Amino acid sequence: KQEVTQIPAALSVPEGENLVLNCSFTDSAIYNLQWFRQDPGKGLTSLLLIQSSQREQTSGRLNASLDKSSGRSTLYIAASQPGDSATYLCAVNSGYSTLTFGKGTMLLVSP
Amino acid sequence: DTGVSQDPRHKITKRGQNVTFRCDPISEHNRLYWYRQTLGQGPEFLTYFQNEAQLEKSRLLSDRFSAERPKGSFSTLEIQRTEQGDSAMYLCASSPGGSNTEAFFGQGTRLTVV
Repeated sequence: KQEVTQIPAALSVPEGENLVLNCSFTDSAIYNLQWFRQDPGKGLTSLLLIQSSQREQTSGRLNASLDKSSGRSTLYIAASQPGDSATYLCAVNSGYSTLTFGKGTMLLVSP
Repeated sequence: DTGVSQDPRHKITKRGQNVTFRCDPISEHNRLYWYRQTLGQGPEFLTYFQNEAQLEKSRLLSDRFSAERPKGSFSTLEIQRTEQGDSAMYLCASSPGGSNTEAFFGQGTRLTVV
């Protein structure tokens, strides 16, 4: 059974800092990995999708990497802003397109 | 197309009542998923449809839960005889066909059972 772990559970940084969120998964046989953002009481917004054959994906200030063999992914956020404050969720697709999620990292960026 | 739409956004119900939620996926997405998320946890898979066929159900989906997608477009999730433990955010997602495509989520329906 696939298990996804996200570290840290919570992170507080001052505005402008670069930061890294970590995601690990137990079964490396995945189709892809997705990073999502969730604001309090809201749904999920897809940030980046990395296919199993890819090493990284970039969107604006976000960069996600994938090391499938070691079961790890990182989400790098450059020059953090208060508007980046949210919970970030990592999810792996191990087949049939159903996703297994971690519990998320709650990020607070203070002005 | 503005994305995946869910209705209602919030629902408060008394224990023992039945509730029904609706999800409208992105048009032409033939896969539709339901997930449940409790406070402080990541979403957990409940069930998924390929067009109108329900192809997989989680063990989380007890006999009190039923989901339909009658014409391969919108879907409904019904919970019968609600219990306090059913209180959660119910999320719907859709994706194009294929095992490696991106999933897009709606804003969710927050259910509170009192």
